[in-house]
Amino acid sequence: QKEVEQNSGPLSVPEGAIASLNCTYSDRGSQSFFWYRQYSGKSPELIMSIYSNGDKEDGRFTAQLNKASQYVSLLIRDSQPSDSATYLCAVNRAKAGTALIFGKGTTLSVSS
Amino acid sequence: DAGVIQSPRHEVTEMGQEVTLRCKPISGHDYLFWYRQTMMRGLELLIYFNNNVPIDDSGMPEDRFSAKMPNASFSTLKIQPSEPRDSAVYFCASSILAGNTEAFFGQGTRLTVV
Repeated sequence: QKEVEQNSGPLSVPEGAIASLNCTYSDRGSQSFFWYRQYSGKSPELIMSIYSNGDKEDGRFTAQLNKASQYVSLLIRDSQPSDSATYLCAVNRAKAGTALIFGKGTTLSVSS
Repeated sequence: DAGVIQSPRHEVTEMGQEVTLRCKPISGHDYLFWYRQTMMRGLELLIYFNNNVPIDDSGMPEDRFSAKMPNASFSTLKIQPSEPRDSAVYFCASSILAGNTEAFFGQGTRLTVV
């Protein structure tokens, strides 16, 4: 089992719809979870972090964490064409002082 | 702060040549990471440093790869000899605390080995 798994997509949604991106992880002791957005040819940039079970909202973005199920998700409301990008889920390992491990990413396409 | 700075942005080299990628982390960040990104394998962790000391190099694919961090503001990733399968985008990132805080990425170096 890979440490961080994501559906590669592409996920296609119309403008204004809700996009739902999912991620599962294997290390039950992981404590920190991040969603990065990467535009084609650019570097990853952080859009959300979440550390506790439940939901965390920031504008049109909501991150959801369920540690019991080892599952993290990202909801994008009112999707815009500018949201078209690859979304990377990143998780830390349980051992302190370790690096983030990334999933392969889900490509989102928002059509106008 | 200017962010994480990598050079060069693009590198094209012939198989068998030595390649050196450079990185300047954000000032005050104690952790520096080298990642490699390909379509097939995604973003892979190669090695990371804490306070200039290599902590985990288990992601380095072969002995052809080596990384150094001689001081807090500079790191290199060297490939010698390079092979076509090394073609990828190499990212350097830095953070204040390892996996518990955000990692800030440089613009990456696109390496093509022909």
